[in-house]
Amino acid sequence: GAVVSQHPSWVICKSGTSVKIECRSLDFQATTMFWYRQFPKQSLMLMATSNEGSKATYEQGVEKDKFLINHASLTLSTLTVTSAHPEDSSFYICSAPLGGRGSRDSAYEQYFGPGTRLTVT
Amino acid sequence: SQELEQSPQSLIVQEGKNLTINCTSSKTLYGLYWYKQKYGEGLIFLMMLQKGGEEKSHEKITAKLDEKKQQSSLHITASQPSHAGIYLCGAEKDSNQFYFGTGTSLTVIP
Repeated sequence: GAVVSQHPSWVICKSGTSVKIECRSLDFQATTMFWYRQFPKQSLMLMATSNEGSKATYEQGVEKDKFLINHASLTLSTLTVTSAHPEDSSFYICSAPLGGRGSRDSAYEQYFGPGTRLTVT
Repeated sequence: SQELEQSPQSLIVQEGKNLTINCTSSKTLYGLYWYKQKYGEGLIFLMMLQKGGEEKSHEKITAKLDEKKQQSSLHITASQPSHAGIYLCGAEKDSNQFYFGTGTSLTVIP
């Protein structure tokens, strides 16, 4: 089946530094990928939609200058947390949809990466 | 704001008891997914429902999508400690963006 990988799986960085997280679709192409973050005891919140060949679209309340997204190819999207602060410590997960929707009644299949746990000290 | 509301937000049950988690959308769903997760870990896909009235089962977990495709329920029979975790419903929007529900934290007491 389709696989999405993330790297790194966990990272610890110092406050003020930047951290890059990679999301790769291993055996399929994804023109769109999604980035989510999760705080303890909370659900996964959609942060942004990564679009290959164009700018990412961000959900309301997500700072685009802080969370830089680059969809470099049809199999790679990166999320860079710039000038990280302890409050950015979270679990970040990406997903990529596979397949087209044949009709309005069918859904894409979503494949999720294993996630990246970021800790900012 | 969350477009998929789950209830209850948290649930504590005695081992062996049955339980139900609900996921409600204000819009018609193209597909409804159920996942299990623990914070900081990946998602475990449970099942996907597409058709109104559809019902699927896997081991002791059954999920249904109502006829109008705006609500789904997840039912666990004879719960076990291994069922503990966060249960998330998820669904796709017009733009193929995928959203998660508000989540339900399940604790099963042995």
